[in-house]
Amino acid sequence: GEDVEQSLFLSVREGDSSVINCTYTDSSSTYLYWYKQEPGAGLQLLTYIFSNMDMKQDQRLTVLLNKKDKHLSLRIADTQTGDSAIYFCAESMGGKLIFGQGTELSVKP
Amino acid sequence: GAVVSQHPSRVICKSGTSVKIECRSLDFQATTMFWYRQFPKQSLMLMATSNEGSKATYEQGVEKDKFLINHASLTLSTLTVTSAHPEDSSFYICSAWDRVGETQYFGPGTRLLVL
Repeated sequence: GEDVEQSLFLSVREGDSSVINCTYTDSSSTYLYWYKQEPGAGLQLLTYIFSNMDMKQDQRLTVLLNKKDKHLSLRIADTQTGDSAIYFCAESMGGKLIFGQGTELSVKP
Repeated sequence: GAVVSQHPSRVICKSGTSVKIECRSLDFQATTMFWYRQFPKQSLMLMATSNEGSKATYEQGVEKDKFLINHASLTLSTLTVTSAHPEDSSFYICSAWDRVGETQYFGPGTRLLVL
């Protein structure tokens, strides 16, 4: 079935790295996405990775994809208080996005 | 990234009235737009897929007569919540599919409160 799973909470100290993990089910997904949602706002596309890639880096963000294990991770280097938000991973399936439950990242000063 | 707007951002209405929410893609044409509903502290629930020039495709359990969707142009989709009731209070988010970038861009959301 369609199921994207994430851990619900992550707490880190400012300046540390954050790693948010996600598992998905559809091995035919072409793209996998990471979105950020701040309180009361819509979703902001952070980055995405094509399914034939293992890694993608974009400034402080690094996405790792293990297609064999259907595991996706988002690493945020030098995490700042402004990174506090809910992070959703999503897989594309038939043109639709299937979202995980979201991981609430709390950054402590 | 591409920009998607929603209007209004917040609306309060009386029970029994209808509310229209607009979703616009500002700098690209979107043949497909999506409407989601999000409850507090929960993920997004896809309600329907809106296709320009044709009928929307609703997800299982979503009443098409209650949530009317119109996608009249390549940059505008509207969601009308008809005869709204307090249980319809929620955060409604639209997204637009950018075929060139193969990415969905999301609007800022509309918070609906039905009294």
